[in-house]
Formats: sequence, C-alpha cells, structure tokens
Amino acid sequence: AQSVTQPDIHITVSEGASLELRCNYSYGATPYLFWYVQSPGQGLQLLLKYFSGDTLVQGIKGFEAEFKRSQSSFNLRKPSVHWSDAAEYFCAADNDYKLSFGAGTTVTVRA
Amino acid sequence: DAGVIQSPRHEVTEMGQEVTLRCKPISGHDYLFWYRQTMMRGLELLIYFNNNVPIDDSGMPEDRFSAKMPNASFSTLKIQPSEPRDSAVYFCASSGEGARDNEQFFGPGTRLTVL
Repeated sequence: AQSVTQPDIHITVSEGASLELRCNYSYGATPYLFWYVQSPGQGLQLLLKYFSGDTLVQGIKGFEAEFKRSQSSFNLRKPSVHWSDAAEYFCAADNDYKLSFGAGTTVTVRA
Repeated sequence: DAGVIQSPRHEVTEMGQEVTLRCKPISGHDYLFWYRQTMMRGLELLIYFNNNVPIDDSGMPEDRFSAKMPNASFSTLKIQPSEPRDSAVYFCASSGEGARDNEQFFGPGTRLTVL
C-alpha cells in the first residue's frame, strides 16, 4: 500500500542547533514529495517540494530536503533552528492528484 | 490575495444536528480539496474537485458526509446528522491548474466539536 512514514513523533532541539526530520515513502513509482509546516491553530504552509532533477531542494525559512531514491527517503534539514521553528511538520506524497500525509513530527525548541 | 477562506473557524454543535462548513478557494484556482485532521488518523483527504466537478470522493467516510461546489468560488462540506466522532479540524485547500505542479494552499481550518 502507498504510504508516507515519519518515524519521529516528537523532536526537541536547542535553539541554534541543527535539525533533521525523517520521512520515508512507499510507492510503486517515485511520487511528488512535499514538506509542510503547521503552527498551532494554523493551516499548513508549504516549505518545499520535489518533483524531479536536483535531489537537494531548497525551501523557505532556511529549510532544505534531500531526496534519496535508494532509501525511499526525503529528509528535511535546517542548519540552525530558531525558536519560531517550533511547530508540527508533515511530509506528504502526491500520487494521482491526491496528497497522502505522514503522521507528523512535532518540533520543540528549547532556549 | 486573501488566501483560502474557511468559515466558521470554530463550530460546536450537538449530536444529530446538521453542520455546514464553507470554503472560498483562491481566485483562479481550479482544484479544491477537503481534508480532515484528527489525532487518531492524522490528515486525510476527503474529496477533491476540478473545475467544480467532484473527481474523487473515496475518502468521504460515510453517506452522512456530502460536499458540493456550485461555482468556482465556493464549496461546502455538510455533515448530516453529525456524530461526536466527526469532531476534527477540517481543512480546505486549493491549487492552480495542474495540481501536480502546483502546491496546495491551505485555509486556516474549521475546528468542529460535536457534543
């Protein structure tokens, strides 16, 4: 079955430290891949997307993600986390015009 | 652009009542999506429209749920009768021509509580 897996439910990181959020997908063919961020009480905002080409994708707010076909992964990274990055992050895959979301990873930033 | 607009932002109702959620997509977008977010099931796609026509409603949980898009600027999601297990945040999203190559823009959501 097609699915998106985010293994980490909750991550705590210190402000200024690096962050990496994991995402794995299980699809017959490589789907289009996305990372969204959701702040408390808000809708989802797109951070970045991968369709094809360069496997390292740059997004907004200083985030980047790397697509690795061999590992069926699309991990999100940020070199230096700010307190405002505390939120829930969702990886998603698009197949046939429908987005399937992972369960989400909640990021807590400590001072 | 005001973005995707959803109303109401919060809805509290009693079991058995009819609930109508509303969405105004971004002008010019021809795809509209309805999602439901719960702690147990995460984010689920319920239904999506293209040019006001429902394309895939396989995510609609039961016949109690229905969605319409009478024109390009308005869609409704109706639950009749509502049940406590329908309590969730419902998101509407829209996308420009060619949903594959365009991001989906999400509204702020409607938090529904069914007592």
